[in-house]
Amino acid sequence: EADIYQTPRYLVIGTGKKITLECSQTMGHDKMYWYQQDPGMELHLIHYSYGVNSTEKGDLSSESTVSRIRTEHFPLTLESARPSHTSQYLCASSAYGGRTEAFFGQGTRLTVV
Amino acid sequence: AQTVTQSQPEMSVQEAETVTLSCTYDTSESDYYLFWYKQPPSRQMILVIRQEAYKQQNATENRFSVNFQKAAKSFSLKISDSQLGDAAMYFCALTTSGTYKYIFGTGTRLKVLA
Repeated sequence: EADIYQTPRYLVIGTGKKITLECSQTMGHDKMYWYQQDPGMELHLIHYSYGVNSTEKGDLSSESTVSRIRTEHFPLTLESARPSHTSQYLCASSAYGGRTEAFFGQGTRLTVV
Repeated sequence: AQTVTQSQPEMSVQEAETVTLSCTYDTSESDYYLFWYKQPPSRQMILVIRQEAYKQQNATENRFSVNFQKAAKSFSLKISDSQLGDAAMYFCALTTSGTYKYIFGTGTRLKVLA
């Protein structure tokens, strides 16, 4: 299995709370990604990073923010969670972006009540 | 813009039989890569097979093979001798060396019948 880890696996939280989803990889990959997976299982890119101090918004608009202070760590933060944020969030990384495959974490299933 | 289309939301196959999952894509770039990923229920997304666009030979990994038709922009996955463990969501994905982003199709849910 790939060395990319997401915590927590499951999170139930109340509306208005601030949350941070953690993603870490031990493969030294420069490229990292956050995807939101909806109930129909479709994957939407919400954030990506080319390396330290580089972050970009993805194709799907998201109220979340990300940071990339260390190569191995790419956390996603929601300042004020809402029920519309309920979803599965998948983190991924790759060594050379478009030339190799992406490795995925196990995902965080977030429920905002 | 790059797009990936999977037109089969769900497929079923009898155990030990062969099934083909369809995928079409669109990109204006010449240097691109195609992937099939498998996502079992409540489990991690894993790579099944990859294909470099510059390679004419179709990729094969054990029971999994692809039919890559570059001119038609088609990239289908064939699973031979289907096993119960093959039951999962299968995603077709495209990436290019220029964008570094992975674009996924909407997925095909594969059911394997005993």
